[in-house]
Amino acid sequence: EAQVTQNPRYLITVTGKKLTVTCSQNMNHEYMSWYRQDPGLGLRQIYYSMNVEVTDKGDVPEGYKVSRKEKRNFPLILESPSPNQTSLYFCASSTTGGSYGYTFGSGTRLTVV
Amino acid sequence: GIQVEQSPPDLILQEGANSTLRCNFSDSVNNLQWFHQNPWGQLINLFYIPSGTKQNGRLSATTVATERYSLLYISSSQTTDSGVYFCAVESGGNNRLAFGKGNQVVVIP
Repeated sequence: EAQVTQNPRYLITVTGKKLTVTCSQNMNHEYMSWYRQDPGLGLRQIYYSMNVEVTDKGDVPEGYKVSRKEKRNFPLILESPSPNQTSLYFCASSTTGGSYGYTFGSGTRLTVV
Repeated sequence: GIQVEQSPPDLILQEGANSTLRCNFSDSVNNLQWFHQNPWGQLINLFYIPSGTKQNGRLSATTVATERYSLLYISSSQTTDSGVYFCAVESGGNNRLAFGKGNQVVVIP
């Protein structure tokens, strides 16, 4: 089944403890991206990647890092999480140009205390 | 950036009723998608529809790109249709989807 897989689905952590949210897709898509969803602010893009070793900032990149060492994986790294990063996170992938639309993962609900 | 407006913001339906959700956007688009966010937070892709009309079961969508709007039709609504419906667009190859604020739909038995 074609899908985008995120892990974990739920995570509660403490301020300053480094964490990684994994994202993997099995559709051989070149393009991958991360979004966060917050009440009243909607979904906003954090980072995106056009292909292996090619990443760029989205609208809200502060406090996040990403890497794209393999085509299928695009992890989101929070080096020192803070409570304002408590959010619902989504990974998405598509073919270059999004010709068939974007496929989203099931989401990761992160709470930083 | 491109603006995406969805209406109505909230909708309460009796089970079995039909409804239409609207998405207006401020610029030409090369991608438009409708998503359903279920109560568990998952974003389910309903339609990829930058232009034209598509149908999938009780749901159908129409995008009139020249007039910059899209419509999502829900027929014979069921309680499982409850949730938030998002319209999202991509314009000018800017590598991001711009989302509307969503239509909150509640279907009551």
